Amino acid sequence: DTGVSQNPRHKITKRGQNVTFRCDPISEHNRLYWYRQTLGQGPEFLTYFQNEAQLEKSRLLSDRFSAERPKGSFSTLEIQRTEQGDSAMYLCASSVSGNTEAFFGQGTRLTVV
Amino acid sequence: TQLLEQSPQFLSIQEGENLTVYCNSSSVFSSLQWYRQEPGEGPVLLVTVVTGGEVKKLKRLTFQFGDARKDSSLHITAAQPGDTGLYLCAGRFAGGTSYGKLTFGQGTILTVHP
Repeated sequence: DTGVSQNPRHKITKRGQNVTFRCDPISEHNRLYWYRQTLGQGPEFLTYFQNEAQLEKSRLLSDRFSAERPKGSFSTLEIQRTEQGDSAMYLCASSVSGNTEAFFGQGTRLTVV
Repeated sequence: TQLLEQSPQFLSIQEGENLTVYCNSSSVFSSLQWYRQEPGEGPVLLVTVVTGGEVKKLKRLTFQFGDARKDSSLHITAAQPGDTGLYLCAGRFAGGTSYGKLTFGQGTILTVHP
């Protein structure tokens, strides 16, 4: 499968714990995006990378959230000191520079209890 | 803030009926995409439109991009239960420094009853 891959698919964690999600984009795609989606709503933009550079961060991305893409390939999204309000689907997408199409992974469903 | 309004939020129809979903903004899009999403899965790209006035067809789905590139519509003919899902429009706004990020509408939850 050469699509966008996200791991884990599901994560249940206790409030206050740290969690980390991984995204492997389509191999030739240099742009990588993270989105958050709550039930029945459209995805909300969190952050964006072009190669290894993080070029834009949403105001939704509090200081408890950090994203990296150290080698311009896979990316990780870490949430520290999780809160119940962090419960959501976290989606990763990738695209090629200059191409308008973005392709999404299957997402990581986070539940904070 | 550039907003993208999608309507209706919910649609519940019988098999065989037609429907239209709308996506509007006060800002100009450089491109607009429509996605379909099933519960627990990521959005799947249906179509991308980039040219004002463009019409694209995908089987029973017809996508239109407004002449001014500020609005789009998705029309489904003879809906089937398999069309049930969350339909999302997502646009890249022209100009600015958005680095190509997609801004999504709120989504339309479509239920087609047999």
